[in-house]
Amino acid sequence: EDQVTQSPEALRLQEGESSSLNCSYTVSGLRGLFWYRQDPGKGPEFLFTLYSAGEEKEKERLKATLTKKESFLHITAPKPEDSATYLCAVFTYNTDKLIFGTGTRLQVFP
Amino acid sequence: DAGVIQSPRHEVTEMGQEVTLRCKPISGHDYLFWYRQTMMRGLELLIYFNNNVPIDDSGMPEDRFSAKMPNASFSTLKIQPSEPRDSAVYFCASSFSGKGTQYFGPGTRLLVL
Repeated sequence: EDQVTQSPEALRLQEGESSSLNCSYTVSGLRGLFWYRQDPGKGPEFLFTLYSAGEEKEKERLKATLTKKESFLHITAPKPEDSATYLCAVFTYNTDKLIFGTGTRLQVFP
Repeated sequence: DAGVIQSPRHEVTEMGQEVTLRCKPISGHDYLFWYRQTMMRGLELLIYFNNNVPIDDSGMPEDRFSAKMPNASFSTLKIQPSEPRDSAVYFCASSFSGKGTQYFGPGTRLLVL
């Protein structure tokens, strides 16, 4: 069965304190791995898609990387406005739907 | 582009009442997904459509839930009768031609008293 696990569940950072969020997966055939950001009271917002091991994508203070077993979302010098829940999801050859992890709730304090 | 549109944004109803949630996907998208999100269970896929045809409804909790997509620009999720445990945020999302990337609406926050 395809599975996605995110860690940690919650992360508290001081402004400027860099860190990484983890998304590990076990799937039969990966078509893509997605990262979303969700702010309270809003729908998930698409950030990145990664398709193959070794691929990296960046957006402002965020960088997503992918290996054959996991993905990392690196946050460099975070700011309070980066506070949100970050969701990862896998897209496989078995189905047209995304399989979501339970998310990491990030809080960045000034 | 207006993005995915959902209505209503908030719904408060009493147990036993019928609830209808509405969604307009992004124009040109051929996949539509309905999700439910709670603190306890996270984001759960309820059902998805491709070209207006339901493909997988295995996530629909029980017969009280039904979904339709009469045309490419409109879908409904109906709960009848509603129960307090249905209280959650319901999201609609759409995507194009199996590319995977789903774009979510703002959600409908449902409270069943």
